Amino acid sequence: SYELTQPPSVSVSPGQTASITCSGDKLGDKYASWYQQKPGQSPVLVIYQDTKRPSGIPERFSGSKSGNTATLTVSGTQAMDEADYYCLTWDNKVFGGGTKLSVL
Amino acid sequence: EVQLVESGGGLVQPGGSLRLSCAASGFTFSSSWMSWVRQAPGKGLEWVANIKGDASQKYYVASVRGRFTISRDNANNSLYLQMNSLRADDTAIYYCAREITAGIGYWGQGTLVSVSS
Repeated sequence: SYELTQPPSVSVSPGQTASITCSGDKLGDKYASWYQQKPGQSPVLVIYQDTKRPSGIPERFSGSKSGNTATLTVSGTQAMDEADYYCLTWDNKVFGGGTKLSVL
Repeated sequence: EVQLVESGGGLVQPGGSLRLSCAASGFTFSSSWMSWVRQAPGKGLEWVANIKGDASQKYYVASVRGRFTISRDNANNSLYLQMNSLRADDTAIYYCAREITAGIGYWGQGTLVSVSS
């Protein structure tokens, strides 16, 4: 079965840049999307079709892809960005295992 | 504003059945692909099933195929998930979701399903 691999955790200092990766077989040929989930809340879409940002999502969130790895970048990270982040490839309907972003 | 409100969760014994509902508003429901996504306690997200706007296409994750049935009522802007032969590993929060191109655009607040004796 298809798998997407994310690091379990990423730590960043306030104001710095955090990068969360998502890798999978032939991910370069598929679209990736990213979801933010804070404790006790539903997920929220932050990036879709690799690089697009929905309206209402701050510009500090950006997406990119190189080869079979998609990356979510949070620039100027704020305390409110602390959350779990999940990538998704719709071709396979598979989510990554999730990455806990800690802002320390 | 897109709103998705799930209901129908609860405690059920192994082997039992439950029907989840999702009331949708704020968008053209009848032309939207819809999904159910679940999240076991303390775990990650798992896509469960989806259905095309006219209900002509339905897809399921392998672990629920043959036990769960997704359906919709476009006249009442409602999405359903009939869950039969429930198992302990079906315990999760179940989210109703509206799809976008290549992803999930909107999520409901979720409804908790607990399968236990």
